[in-house]
Amino acid sequence: AQSVTQLGSHVSVSEGALVLLRCNYSSSVPPYLFWYVQYPNQGLQLLLKYTSAATLVKGINGFEAEFKKSETSFHLTKPSAHMSDAAEYFCAVTHSGSARQLTFGSGTQLTVLP
Amino acid sequence: SQTIHQWPATLVQPVGSPLSLECTVEGTSNPNLYWYRQAAGRGLQLLFYSVGIGQISSEVPQNLSASRPQDRQFILSSKKLLLSDSGFYLCAWRKGTSINTDTQYFGPGTRLTVL
Repeated sequence: AQSVTQLGSHVSVSEGALVLLRCNYSSSVPPYLFWYVQYPNQGLQLLLKYTSAATLVKGINGFEAEFKKSETSFHLTKPSAHMSDAAEYFCAVTHSGSARQLTFGSGTQLTVLP
Repeated sequence: SQTIHQWPATLVQPVGSPLSLECTVEGTSNPNLYWYRQAAGRGLQLLFYSVGIGQISSEVPQNLSASRPQDRQFILSSKKLLLSDSGFYLCAWRKGTSINTDTQYFGPGTRLTVL
């Protein structure tokens, strides 16, 4: 069975500082991994995804994530935080079933301090 | 381009009342459709998914049900709401069944408060 663990339900960074949001996965098959962002009272927006091509994946808004099989990790980073990055971030892994359901982590709330 | 709609955007219902939430997708055909619930302070829980008209799979036993009467329409229902049904309900779609089309696209959500 596939699962995702996000370490740190709340992360605070100063504007301009490095953003690092952690995600570890467990999967019995080669995983497809996703990061989504959710702004208050809105749906989820795809930031980036890993689908077994390049291990370093670049997404929107300057975010990127690196797939590390040896560490079963897919951490999300951004070199310099902006106030507009404040949101909740979810890591997800795809099931191997035909419907390709997603299993989400519990989310990390990112606060950006001025 | 594809768009996904959900309505209503917000809903306040008394305990024991019925529920009907609707999700429609435009600009694609035969999508996989999903209903998720996000309770306060918790992650997203998959409730139902559908790979075709009339085909519904339930992930969690509960007093909710889902139906797919048309290719691009997905409805979440309940005959009698419970307080624990409060939350943010999200609909999502995915194109096809190929592993290369795994991305799910989410609607704007419905905020349900049961009093």
